[in-house]
Amino acid sequence: GAVVSQHPSWVICKSGTSVKIECRSLDFQATTMFWYRQFPKQSLMLMATSNEGSKATYEQGVEKDKFLINHASLTLSTLTVTSAHPEDSSFYICSAITPQAGAEETQYFGPGTRLLVL
Amino acid sequence: LAKTTQPISMDSYEGQEVNITCSHNNIATNDYITWYQQFPSQGPRFIIQGYKTKVTNEVASLFIPADRKSSTLSLPRVSLSDTAVYYCLVGASTGRRALTFGSGTRLQVQP
Repeated sequence: GAVVSQHPSWVICKSGTSVKIECRSLDFQATTMFWYRQFPKQSLMLMATSNEGSKATYEQGVEKDKFLINHASLTLSTLTVTSAHPEDSSFYICSAITPQAGAEETQYFGPGTRLLVL
Repeated sequence: LAKTTQPISMDSYEGQEVNITCSHNNIATNDYITWYQQFPSQGPRFIIQGYKTKVTNEVASLFIPADRKSSTLSLPRVSLSDTAVYYCLVGASTGRRALTFGSGTRLQVQP
Protein backbone atom coordinates (compact mmCIF):
# COMPACT_ATOMS: atom_id res chain seq x y z
CA GLY A 1 0.00 0.00 0.00
CA ALA A 2 0.85 3.67 -0.20
CA VAL A 3 3.17 5.08 2.45
CA VAL A 4 2.52 8.21 4.48
CA SER A 5 5.14 9.46 6.92
CA GLN A 6 5.01 11.95 9.76
CA HIS A 7 7.75 13.87 11.50
CA PRO A 8 8.44 14.07 14.32
CA SER A 9 7.01 10.89 15.82
CA TRP A 10 6.85 12.54 19.20
CA VAL A 11 7.53 15.99 20.60
CA ILE A 12 7.58 17.58 24.02
CA CYS A 13 7.33 21.34 24.28
CA LYS A 14 6.74 24.07 26.79
CA SER A 15 3.40 25.81 27.05
CA GLY A 16 3.22 28.84 24.78
CA THR A 17 5.58 27.55 22.12
CA SER A 18 4.68 26.45 18.59
CA VAL A 19 5.17 23.01 17.15
CA LYS A 20 5.22 21.98 13.49
CA ILE A 21 4.28 18.49 12.35
CA GLU A 22 5.03 17.32 8.82
CA CYS A 23 3.03 14.81 6.81
CA ARG A 24 4.47 13.38 3.61
CA SER A 25 3.17 11.02 0.97
CA LEU A 26 6.28 9.06 0.04
CA ASP A 27 5.35 7.23 -3.13
CA PHE A 28 2.40 9.12 -4.51
CA GLN A 29 1.09 12.62 -4.96
CA ALA A 30 -1.73 13.67 -2.69
CA THR A 31 -3.78 16.69 -3.60
CA THR A 32 -5.80 16.19 -0.46
CA MET A 33 -4.60 15.31 3.02
CA PHE A 34 -6.48 15.20 6.30
CA TRP A 35 -5.48 15.91 9.87
CA TYR A 36 -6.99 14.01 12.78
CA ARG A 37 -6.55 14.19 16.52
CA GLN A 38 -6.97 11.29 18.91
CA PHE A 39 -7.16 11.48 22.68
CA PRO A 40 -6.44 8.41 24.85
CA LYS A 41 -9.04 5.65 24.61
CA GLN A 42 -11.01 7.67 22.05
CA SER A 43 -11.54 7.47 18.32
CA LEU A 44 -9.99 9.71 15.70
CA MET A 45 -11.56 13.12 15.25
CA LEU A 46 -11.17 15.03 12.02
CA MET A 47 -9.61 18.46 12.46
CA ALA A 48 -9.22 19.74 8.93
CA THR A 49 -8.93 18.95 5.25
CA SER A 50 -5.77 20.14 3.57
CA ASN A 51 -5.85 20.89 -0.15
CA GLU A 52 -2.72 21.53 -2.16
CA GLY A 53 -2.46 25.13 -3.21
CA SER A 54 -5.50 26.36 -1.32
CA LYS A 55 -6.68 27.11 2.17
CA ALA A 56 -7.51 24.28 4.51
CA THR A 57 -11.08 23.52 5.52
CA TYR A 58 -11.52 23.23 9.27
CA GLU A 59 -14.12 21.23 11.16
CA GLN A 60 -16.49 22.99 13.49
CA GLY A 61 -14.84 23.80 16.79
CA VAL A 62 -11.27 23.68 15.46
CA GLU A 63 -9.51 27.04 15.66
CA LYS A 64 -7.87 27.79 12.33
CA ASP A 65 -5.60 30.42 13.87
CA LYS A 66 -4.32 27.93 16.40
CA PHE A 67 -3.87 24.97 14.09
CA LEU A 68 -2.18 26.34 10.98
CA ILE A 69 -2.19 24.03 7.99
CA ASN A 70 -0.04 24.47 4.90
CA HIS A 71 -0.14 22.18 1.88
CA ALA A 72 2.53 23.70 -0.30
CA SER A 73 3.28 20.68 -2.47
CA LEU A 74 1.64 17.50 -3.66
CA THR A 75 3.60 15.44 -1.15
CA LEU A 76 3.76 17.62 1.95
CA SER A 77 1.27 19.07 4.39
CA THR A 78 2.24 20.68 7.68
CA LEU A 79 0.26 21.28 10.85
CA THR A 80 1.55 23.96 13.20
CA VAL A 81 0.14 24.08 16.70
CA THR A 82 0.61 27.69 17.74
CA SER A 83 0.94 28.78 21.36
CA ALA A 84 0.47 25.23 22.53
CA HIS A 85 -1.17 24.53 25.86
CA PRO A 86 -1.38 21.32 27.90
CA GLU A 87 -4.90 20.64 26.59
CA ASP A 88 -3.41 20.41 23.09
CA SER A 89 -1.49 17.33 24.16
CA SER A 90 -2.76 14.55 21.94
CA PHE A 91 -1.94 12.12 19.15
CA TYR A 92 -2.04 13.85 15.78
CA ILE A 93 -2.51 11.71 12.68
CA CYS A 94 -2.51 12.71 9.05
CA SER A 95 -3.85 10.82 6.09
CA ALA A 96 -3.74 11.09 2.34
CA ILE A 97 -5.87 9.77 -0.46
CA THR A 98 -4.22 7.82 -3.23
CA PRO A 99 -5.33 8.55 -6.74
CA GLN A 100 -6.72 5.43 -8.34
CA ALA A 101 -7.22 4.50 -11.95
CA GLY A 102 -10.54 2.93 -11.06
CA ALA A 103 -13.48 4.38 -9.19
CA GLU A 104 -12.44 3.92 -5.62
CA GLU A 105 -9.91 5.90 -3.67
CA THR A 106 -8.27 4.69 -0.50
CA GLN A 107 -7.18 6.76 2.45
CA TYR A 108 -3.82 5.88 4.01
CA PHE A 109 -2.69 7.11 7.39
CA GLY A 110 0.60 8.27 8.78
CA PRO A 111 2.10 6.73 11.92
CA GLY A 112 1.03 9.66 14.07
CA THR A 113 2.78 12.28 16.17
CA ARG A 114 2.52 12.30 19.95
CA LEU A 115 2.51 15.85 21.31
CA LEU A 116 3.02 16.55 24.99
CA VAL A 117 2.77 20.15 26.15
CA LEU A 118 4.19 20.83 29.57
CA LEU B 1 -21.77 10.53 6.01
CA ALA B 2 -23.29 7.21 6.97
CA LYS B 3 -23.03 6.40 10.68
CA THR B 4 -21.64 3.02 11.64
CA THR B 5 -22.34 0.81 14.63
CA GLN B 6 -19.93 -1.86 15.82
CA PRO B 7 -19.57 -3.92 18.98
CA ILE B 8 -17.42 -2.09 21.50
CA SER B 9 -15.26 -5.11 22.22
CA MET B 10 -14.72 -8.76 21.33
CA ASP B 11 -12.61 -11.52 22.80
CA SER B 12 -11.11 -14.47 20.98
CA TYR B 13 -8.39 -17.09 21.25
CA GLU B 14 -5.43 -17.71 19.06
CA GLY B 15 -6.21 -19.77 15.98
CA GLN B 16 -9.92 -18.92 15.91
CA GLU B 17 -11.74 -17.09 13.13
CA VAL B 18 -13.08 -13.72 14.20
CA ASN B 19 -16.01 -12.00 12.53
CA ILE B 20 -16.74 -8.36 13.32
CA THR B 21 -20.03 -7.02 12.02
CA CYS B 22 -20.71 -3.37 11.31
CA SER B 23 -24.11 -1.81 10.72
CA HIS B 24 -24.46 1.11 8.30
CA ASN B 25 -28.18 1.45 7.61
CA ASN B 26 -27.86 4.83 5.90
CA ILE B 27 -25.14 3.91 3.45
CA ALA B 28 -25.37 5.86 0.21
CA THR B 29 -25.28 4.42 -3.27
CA ASN B 30 -21.75 5.63 -3.97
CA ASP B 31 -20.31 4.77 -0.55
CA TYR B 32 -17.59 2.18 -0.15
CA ILE B 33 -16.92 0.24 3.04
CA THR B 34 -13.42 0.32 4.46
CA TRP B 35 -11.92 -1.39 7.48
CA TYR B 36 -8.86 -0.21 9.37
CA GLN B 37 -6.79 -1.70 12.17
CA GLN B 38 -5.15 0.45 14.81
CA PHE B 39 -2.57 -0.48 17.40
CA PRO B 40 -1.87 1.81 20.39
CA SER B 41 0.11 4.91 19.45
CA GLN B 42 0.04 4.09 15.74
CA GLY B 43 -1.95 5.40 12.82
CA PRO B 44 -4.78 3.27 11.41
CA ARG B 45 -3.67 0.62 8.93
CA PHE B 46 -5.79 -0.18 5.88
CA ILE B 47 -7.13 -3.73 5.93
CA ILE B 48 -9.72 -4.10 3.22
CA GLN B 49 -12.25 -2.17 1.17
CA GLY B 50 -15.32 -3.23 -0.75
CA TYR B 51 -18.58 -2.17 -2.33
CA LYS B 52 -20.69 -5.32 -2.48
CA THR B 53 -20.62 -9.12 -2.18
CA LYS B 54 -17.27 -10.47 -1.03
CA VAL B 55 -13.74 -9.17 -1.11
CA THR B 56 -10.71 -11.16 0.01
CA ASN B 57 -7.07 -10.27 0.37
CA GLU B 58 -4.10 -11.80 2.09
CA VAL B 59 -5.15 -10.76 5.58
CA ALA B 60 -8.96 -10.66 5.68
CA SER B 61 -12.27 -11.11 3.95
CA LEU B 62 -15.11 -8.64 3.76
CA PHE B 63 -18.68 -9.83 3.34
CA ILE B 64 -21.32 -7.38 2.22
CA PRO B 65 -24.95 -8.46 1.77
CA ALA B 66 -27.06 -7.32 -1.13
CA ASP B 67 -28.74 -4.49 0.79
CA ARG B 68 -25.31 -3.21 1.92
CA LYS B 69 -26.72 -2.13 5.29
CA SER B 70 -24.08 -4.10 7.10
CA SER B 71 -20.72 -5.69 6.51
CA THR B 72 -18.62 -8.32 8.23
CA LEU B 73 -14.86 -8.33 8.54
CA SER B 74 -13.53 -11.87 8.84
CA LEU B 75 -10.06 -12.51 10.24
CA PRO B 76 -8.98 -16.12 9.78
CA ARG B 77 -6.96 -17.82 12.52
CA VAL B 78 -6.15 -14.77 14.63
CA SER B 79 -2.94 -14.48 16.60
CA LEU B 80 -1.95 -12.40 19.60
CA SER B 81 -0.65 -9.71 17.26
CA ASP B 82 -4.17 -9.15 15.93
CA THR B 83 -5.14 -7.58 19.26
CA ALA B 84 -6.10 -4.07 18.18
CA VAL B 85 -9.00 -1.72 17.53
CA TYR B 86 -10.84 -2.29 14.26
CA TYR B 87 -12.76 0.51 12.61
CA CYS B 88 -15.48 0.18 9.99
CA LEU B 89 -15.99 3.28 7.87
CA VAL B 90 -18.23 4.15 4.98
CA GLY B 91 -17.71 7.01 2.60
CA ALA B 92 -17.76 8.10 -0.98
CA SER B 93 -15.08 6.56 -3.12
CA THR B 94 -14.47 9.85 -4.82
CA GLY B 95 -14.77 13.47 -3.87
CA ARG B 96 -11.86 13.39 -1.50
CA ARG B 97 -13.92 13.57 1.65
CA ALA B 98 -12.56 12.56 5.01
CA LEU B 99 -13.76 9.43 6.75
CA THR B 100 -15.78 9.65 9.94
CA PHE B 101 -14.51 7.30 12.60
CA GLY B 102 -16.89 5.59 14.99
CA SER B 103 -15.88 4.03 18.26
CA GLY B 104 -14.39 0.92 16.69
CA THR B 105 -14.21 -2.63 18.05
CA ARG B 106 -11.51 -3.50 20.50
CA LEU B 107 -10.44 -7.09 19.77
CA GLN B 108 -8.53 -8.94 22.47
CA VAL B 109 -6.90 -12.20 21.43
CA GLN B 110 -5.97 -14.54 24.25
CA PRO B 111 -3.35 -17.31 24.07
